[in-house]
Amino acid sequence: EVQLLESGGGLVQPGGSLRLSCAASGFTFSNYAMTWVRQVPGKGLEWVSGIFGGGGPTFHADSVKGRFTISRDNLKNILYLQMTSLRVEDTAIYYCGKGGDRQPGDPWGQGIQVIVSS
Amino acid sequence: IVLTQSPATLSVSPGERATLSCRASQSVSDNLAWYQQKLGQAPRLLIYSASTRATDIPARFSGSGSGTEFTLTISSLQSEDSATYYCHQYNDWPRTFGQGTQVEVK
Repeated sequence: EVQLLESGGGLVQPGGSLRLSCAASGFTFSNYAMTWVRQVPGKGLEWVSGIFGGGGPTFHADSVKGRFTISRDNLKNILYLQMTSLRVEDTAIYYCGKGGDRQPGDPWGQGIQVIVSS
Repeated sequence: IVLTQSPATLSVSPGERATLSCRASQSVSDNLAWYQQKLGQAPRLLIYSASTRATDIPARFSGSGSGTEFTLTISSLQSEDSATYYCHQYNDWPRTFGQGTQVEVK
């Protein structure tokens, strides 16, 4: 059974940094692209970042380009999202998902809350 | 690629058909998925490749279309189908989602 468990969320001040992790199990992690999406409570889904199985190439939404970096450790089966220069509008629930290149993300983790506030 | 979903909300009686639309600003071939999301839960994949049901998805859910026009049909709505439905293109980077259609079962 595929399991994805996000961690690393929390409260951070504007301009601060945070690193999200997504621990994966139940599949051969290095064989799959991985994806981050986010959702402001009460709003729609927003695709954030994607990374191929080998670690590259990587892709980011324009709204986070230059501030967020997706990466992965295929030995530890962990996906990361390094978030810097955080803004109030980055406040959301962040989900990691298996897949995202030739197939859509599926399944998704339970999500982790990030709150950017002073 | 901008995905535009319609309608924004849909209220349907149990047993009736619900038809949701998704229009892409340029062709996404058949690289279009549909997700269901219930309150407080992660998205659940329903349809991929525009018309292929994901594992364990009931047959009342069907998808059609290609290029720029797509449809998700729920043939006989059940109470547990109350949710928000999103279309998602994975043809081009950056990937994008539609804004969602909220389905209410009367």
